Amino acid sequence: AQTVTQSQPEMSVQEAETVTLSCTYDTSESDYYLFWYKQPPSRQMILVIRQEAYKQQNATENRFSVNFQKAAKSFSLKISDSQLGDAAMYFCARTYGNKLVFGAGTILRVKS
Amino acid sequence: DGGITQSPKYLFRKEGQNVTLSCEQNLNHDAMYWYRQDPGQGLRLIYYSQIVNDFQKGDIAEGYSVSREKKESFPLTVTSAQKNPTAFYLCASSIYPGLDETQYFGPGTRLLVL
Repeated sequence: AQTVTQSQPEMSVQEAETVTLSCTYDTSESDYYLFWYKQPPSRQMILVIRQEAYKQQNATENRFSVNFQKAAKSFSLKISDSQLGDAAMYFCARTYGNKLVFGAGTILRVKS
Repeated sequence: DGGITQSPKYLFRKEGQNVTLSCEQNLNHDAMYWYRQDPGQGLRLIYYSQIVNDFQKGDIAEGYSVSREKKESFPLTVTSAQKNPTAFYLCASSIYPGLDETQYFGPGTRLLVL
């Protein structure tokens, strides 16, 4: 199967707080890549973070980090010290052969 | 500045008309992709190309066509056979599948039917 599931259609976080977005996926492969992309109101897709499945260490990019649980096929995104500019749609994606398969997205709202 | 450009930003199509969306990149990437995004949904792959003069159908290729005559360019034609073309279209590129899977996206084109 090629599914990527984001079970939270919408999330809210207070400015400066931490929020975690969930993502699970199906795969029978041992080597693949996982991504989180951000789509702000401008609709430009922006890469947030990526993880290579054969690396056990969780990827980190400044305030963004992932919790990669390979056996559970889970790839959650943690945003620390949330800022108003973090408000966007967030998409989880994984490689499938030469393609990317995307989840349906999670809308993140940041309250001031 | 290196990047991916898409034009136009907005495109209007009349019934029975073919329209072409432009995608150009100067990142020297080998692979290019076209996605469709419908409201409140994720991205679905239309076509992709790994090298010049070669391209493959994605998950929703019916009613669309592409060409890859130059490394930098991957135009998408929405034909009259596509009965529900209203959507947001995103073009992406990557260095080469298998070397680095990261895809970088253009700003998108919104297609509306008159």
